[in-house]
Amino acid sequence: AQSVAQPEDQVNVAEGNPLTVKCTYSVSGNPYLFWYVQYPNRGLQFLLKYITGDNLVKGSYGFEAEFNKSQTSFHLKKPSALVSDSALYFCAVRDPGSNDYKLSFGAGTTVTVRA
Amino acid sequence: DAGVTQSPTHLIKTRGQQVTLRCSPKSGHDTVSWYQQALGQGPQFIFQYYEEEERQRGNFPDRFSGHQYPNYSSELNVNALLLGDSALYLCASSLAGGPGSPLHFGNGTRLTVT
Repeated sequence: AQSVAQPEDQVNVAEGNPLTVKCTYSVSGNPYLFWYVQYPNRGLQFLLKYITGDNLVKGSYGFEAEFNKSQTSFHLKKPSALVSDSALYFCAVRDPGSNDYKLSFGAGTTVTVRA
Repeated sequence: DAGVTQSPTHLIKTRGQQVTLRCSPKSGHDTVSWYQQALGQGPQFIFQYYEEEERQRGNFPDRFSGHQYPNYSSELNVNALLLGDSALYLCASSLAGGPGSPLHFGNGTRLTVT
């Protein structure tokens, strides 16, 4: 079975400071990992993904994430947060080695960036 | 290029009623997945349709059923509605040939069961 955990329900940072949203995963094989962002009353927007290759992946809106196989983590980062980054962030995983087509999502982390 | 569109945006139903939600995938996508997002939770996988067949199903009762049409659009049907079915229902489309291709989500249908 595949799953992700987002250990922090909320992350609060000041504008201009670094932002990190944590995610750990559990799969039987090599994972496909994704980050999505959700604004109020909207669907999820894709930010970035890790499939294979370089452990540091870059995505939309200045976000990046680092895949760490030994720690089974895929933390989302942004060097300098903006107030407009305030939203709900979801980590998701898929195990491509199984016959499992679904993405499994974490419970989400609410990010608040204060001016 | 239209993204994923869902209708209606909001819906209020009474316990025991039936509801149908609709989804048009992003242009060029052939696979549709449905998710239920309860308040304060992450999306939970209901099922996925590909080539007009249910390819995979999550842990949801048979009251939840779906359909995919030849133009790849999809419907989610829920029978005998319960109060606990109140949630945001999200449709997502993707390409079957790209296992690493991300899901593209619609804005969802907010279902309230009273």
